[in-house]
Amino acid sequence: GQNIDQPTEMTATEGAIVQINCTYQTSGFNGLFWYQQHAGEAPTFLSYNVLDGLEEKGRFSSFLSRSKGYSYLLLKELQMKDSASYLCAPWDSNYQLIWGAGTKLIIKP
Amino acid sequence: GAVVSQHPSWVICKSGTSVKIECRSLDFQATTMFWYRQFPKQSLMLMATSNEGSKATYEQGVEKDKFLINHASLTLSTLTVTSAHPEDSSFYICSARNRDRTYEQYFGPGTRLTVT
Repeated sequence: GQNIDQPTEMTATEGAIVQINCTYQTSGFNGLFWYQQHAGEAPTFLSYNVLDGLEEKGRFSSFLSRSKGYSYLLLKELQMKDSASYLCAPWDSNYQLIWGAGTKLIIKP
Repeated sequence: GAVVSQHPSWVICKSGTSVKIECRSLDFQATTMFWYRQFPKQSLMLMATSNEGSKATYEQGVEKDKFLINHASLTLSTLTVTSAHPEDSSFYICSARNRDRTYEQYFGPGTRLTVT
């Protein structure tokens, strides 16, 4: 079956760094997306990894290891507005996004 | 980044009536659009995938006669909830895949439907 595993909730301090891990099992694989979703809003695109390694985009970086079925999202210099849910979504062989429940990130001052 | 709009952003309707939700890609063409539903504190659930000019593909358990999807052009898809009931109250989100850069999939702002 297809499965996404992320921590349910994480707490971090403003200005700090946090890493959100994701492991996945899918029928085929065509890359992995990270989305941010604020409460009551639709998800917004953060990153897409299709090859192994680290992709850096400003304060956010995303890492992928296809052989391990593992990805992480690294958020630096945390700001209060980063409080949101972070969704790891791999693309399966049919180019369908597979969604888990996401990780709720709480930023404290 | 690319913009996807949805209209209306929220709607309240009476049980038994129908509601149409529009999804538009504003600055790119989308051959494929997706309709999701999300209940509070739950993950996104894919309802159906629509390709321009063809019938939508519905996920298991989604009634195609109740949730009518039309993808009439490369920039517009509509979802009509027919004979709505209170259990259809949810957050409906559309998503559009960029025809020219297929790894780009953008979400609309969502439509909150409340059926009384």
